[in-house]
Amino acid sequence: SYVLTQPPSVSVAPGQTARISCGGNNIGSESVHWYQQKPGQAPVLVVYDNSDRPSGIPERFSGSNSENTATLTISRVEAGDEADYYCQLWDSSSDHWVFGGGTKLTVL
Amino acid sequence: QVQLQESGPGLVKPSETLSLTCTVSGDSVGSSSYYWGWIRQPPGKGLEWIGSVYYTGTTFYNPSLKTRVIVSVDTSKNHFSLMLMSVTAADTAVYFCAREYSSTRGFDLWGRGTLVTVSS
Repeated sequence: SYVLTQPPSVSVAPGQTARISCGGNNIGSESVHWYQQKPGQAPVLVVYDNSDRPSGIPERFSGSNSENTATLTISRVEAGDEADYYCQLWDSSSDHWVFGGGTKLTVL
Repeated sequence: QVQLQESGPGLVKPSETLSLTCTVSGDSVGSSSYYWGWIRQPPGKGLEWIGSVYYTGTTFYNPSLKTRVIVSVDTSKNHFSLMLMSVTAADTAVYFCAREYSSTRGFDLWGRGTLVTVSS
């Protein structure tokens, strides 16, 4: 079964850039999605298909994917970006969705 | 505006069956554009996909749960459902339903989630 590895936590000062990684075997050949989840709320899709943004998501959120690491980048971080972030992909070898373990973003 | 709303018992006894329904408004579960899925989150832990269903009844399940799970769709009532059998305390979680656009677009719309506790 495909495994996605995320760092448990990332910290960044307001106005700086946060980068959250998602590691997986040859993940660069997959379509990776990213979700933001604030406490007590449902997840929200912030990036899909590696680098596309749903309507209403600020341009500060961007994604990239190459070789064995997908990355969610949040530019000009704001206090309101503090949340858990999850990567996800469809494992076509066994027909099921896989989530990473999640990364807690702390805004200092 | 499309909305998804989970409903069902908040407390289930060990060894019994957890049953939840997700009612969709503003869209049709009979649409050929989407799958409809269930995801859960144990307290303080990460997200775990449970299973997804297409309007034709085609299903996909998490391999770790597939022997205990049934996900079904009822187009006449515009809802889809989850049954998880032989539950234990480890099944205590917030259960979310979500609209699955495609494998290249992820889950674009989620319900608010409902907490189900497994306890005697």
